[in-house]
Amino acid sequence: NAGVTQTPKFQVLKTGQSMTLQCAQDMNHNSMYWYRQDPGMGLRLIYYSASEGTTDKGEVPNGYNVSRLNKREFSLRLESAAPSQTSVYFCASSEWLTGDRETQYFGPGTRLLVL
Amino acid sequence: DAKTTQPPSMDCAEGRAANLPCNHSTISGNEYVYWYRQIHSQGPQYIIHGLKNNETNEMASLIITEDRKSSTLILPHATLRDTAVYYCIVRVNTGNQFYFGTGTSLTVIP
Repeated sequence: NAGVTQTPKFQVLKTGQSMTLQCAQDMNHNSMYWYRQDPGMGLRLIYYSASEGTTDKGEVPNGYNVSRLNKREFSLRLESAAPSQTSVYFCASSEWLTGDRETQYFGPGTRLLVL
Repeated sequence: DAKTTQPPSMDCAEGRAANLPCNHSTISGNEYVYWYRQIHSQGPQYIIHGLKNNETNEMASLIITEDRKSSTLILPHATLRDTAVYYCIVRVNTGNQFYFGTGTSLTVIP
C-alpha cells in the first residue's frame, strides 16, 4: 500500500494563478483532511471531509476550495494564489472522523511557493 | 486558544529515555490525547494515543496523570533517528479538528 500520496511535490506560482493539489489514499478510509504548515509553526486545518460527498471548513479555509471526488481522492484548489499561501500542504486520512479510531495518516506534503 | 502546552525544545542522550511532557489542563472527559512526530518536514507520523490508562506500543509509552491534565511521552531508548518535532494533540470536541500547536523539538545527541 502506498498510503497517502500527494501531487505535485513542489510548485511555484505567480500571484493570481490557480492550481489544484491532488491527494489520494489507498487505505479505504472514510475521512480526509487538508492542512497547511508555515515555517516554524504547527499544522493548521484548512478543510476536511468526513465521508464521500461531504466537506467542511477547518481553521483556515479562506482562499481555498476542496472537492471530495470519490472515497479515495480529495483535492485542494487555490483559485487565485497569494504570497500568503506560500506553505507546505499536507493531506491526511483516517478511518473515521470521530472517536477512538481517528488516527490520521499523512502524505509527504506539497511545497508551494507563490511569488 | 491553545489546548496543549509543550516545551519548545529538549535534548536527550542517545540510548537514554526521552521524556516529553505535555499539559492539557482543559481537556474534556471524552477527549483523547494523541502524539505525533514530524521528522525534517516530512508528513507527521502517528506515535500513540490514550484516554485514561497508560498505553504502550512498539514505538513509545504514554503516561497520563490521574486528573488527565497532563501526559508524558516516553521513548525508552532514544536513537538519532528519533530527532524530530513531537506534537501533543487533544482533539477538540466540536469541529473535528486536531490542533497541532508548535510541538517540542527533540534533539538526540550522540
